[in-house]
Amino acid sequence: KQEVTQIPAALSVPEGENLVLNCSFTDSAIYNLQWFRQDPGKGLTSLLLIQSSQREQTSGRLNASLDKSSGRSTLYIAASQPGDSATYLCAVRLSGYSTLTFGKGTMLLVSP
Amino acid sequence: GAVVSQHPSWVICKSGTSVKIECRSLDFQATTMFWYRQFPKQSLMLMATSNEGSKATYEQGVEKDKFLINHASLTLSTLTVTSAHPEDSSFYICSVGAEFSTDTQYFGPGTRLTVL
Repeated sequence: KQEVTQIPAALSVPEGENLVLNCSFTDSAIYNLQWFRQDPGKGLTSLLLIQSSQREQTSGRLNASLDKSSGRSTLYIAASQPGDSATYLCAVRLSGYSTLTFGKGTMLLVSP
Repeated sequence: GAVVSQHPSWVICKSGTSVKIECRSLDFQATTMFWYRQFPKQSLMLMATSNEGSKATYEQGVEKDKFLINHASLTLSTLTVTSAHPEDSSFYICSVGAEFSTDTQYFGPGTRLTVL
C-alpha cells in the first residue's frame, strides 16, 4: 500500500527565506506526483504536477523536483512571502486515472 | 482549470439526522467525481468514486449505506451522511476528474460538518 510522508509537519520562517518541503513515498512506481496548497478551512489548489518521466517542474517562485527511484520529491519556495502561509500537500497517483494518495501536509507560516 | 463548488460550506446538525452535501462542476461535464474526508491535521482520505449514471465505488472501510452518493448528472454529485454521529464530524471535499485530461483533478472548497 502506498504511503506518503511529508517532513516537516510544520515550518515557520521569516519573510524572504528560501525553503524546502519534503515528500517521500513508499512505492516508486508512480504515475505522477502533485503538490497542492490548502488554506485553512478551504479546498485544494494545484501548484505543480510532475509526471513520472520528469525530473522537475517550475512555476514562478516554486520548483518541484522528483526522484522516483528514491521515492522523494521536494518543493522549493524561493523568497517566501506571508501570503505563502498555508498547508502544502503532496499526493501521488499510481496509474493514469487512479486516485490520489495524500500526505498529511506541511503547515507553513511565513512571518513578516 | 475547472471550477468546482460545494454546498453548503458548513453545516451543524444534531446526532441522528441526515445531511446532504452537493458538489457541482460549473464549467464542464464530469463523468467522475471523488469524495474525500479530512480530519484535523490529517491527510485527505478518499471515501468513494462517484460515476455518473452508475453506482459509486467505495473505499475499504467506508460504509456505503451510511454515506450515500448520487451522481445523477454530469455536473452534480451528492453525498448524504445518514444518521450522522459526532464521529462523522469532518471536512468533506469533492473533486472532479477533468474530461480533457486524465492527469488533473480539481477540488471543491470543502464542507465542514459538525454533528452535535
